[in-house]
Amino acid sequence: KQEVTQIPAALSVPEGENLVLNCSFTDSAIYNLQWFRQDPGKGLTSLLLIQSSQREQTSGRLNASLDKSSGRSTLYIAASQPGDSATYLCAVKATDSWGKLQFGAGTQVVVTP
Amino acid sequence: EAGVAQSPRYKIIEKRQSVAFWCNPISGHATLYWYQQILGQGPKLLIQFQNNGVVDDSQLPKDRFSAERLKGVDSTLKIQPAKLEDSAVYLCASSLGLAGGPETDTQYFGPGTRLTVL
Repeated sequence: KQEVTQIPAALSVPEGENLVLNCSFTDSAIYNLQWFRQDPGKGLTSLLLIQSSQREQTSGRLNASLDKSSGRSTLYIAASQPGDSATYLCAVKATDSWGKLQFGAGTQVVVTP
Repeated sequence: EAGVAQSPRYKIIEKRQSVAFWCNPISGHATLYWYQQILGQGPKLLIQFQNNGVVDDSQLPKDRFSAERLKGVDSTLKIQPAKLEDSAVYLCASSLGLAGGPETDTQYFGPGTRLTVL
């Protein structure tokens, strides 16, 4: 059974510092891995999707890496801003599933001005 | 482009009562998902539809939860009777399809319905 873990559960950084968020998964047989952002009282917003054949994906200040063999993904957010404050969740889609995502519990990020 | 719509946004009920949630996915999206998110946890898939057929309902407590997607568009999730442990946010999401790359795989989420069972 796939287990997805995100450590730490919460993180506080001063504005301008780079953010590093970690995600680990137990079964390397994945189809893709996705990073989402969740703001309080709102749904999830997809940030990046990395296919299993890719090593990384970039969008603006966001960069996500994937190491399937070690069961790890890292989301980097460069030059953090107060608007980056949110909960960040990673989710994996298994190769034998019909699109079902297995989510981690998320990392709550606070960026202080 | 309109996003995924859900209603109601909030619902408070007594245990053993029934409740229903409604979801309207993004136009043209064939796949629709219902997730349950308990406070402090990641979302857990309850049921997944491809058009109006069920693809995965392995984690749906079928003795009390039911869902339908008539005509392959809107969907309704029902709980009857509700238990205290059903207190959670119920999220609906949609995507273009099951497989084929990032464009079809990316799931778009609605704002959710926060259910409190007293």
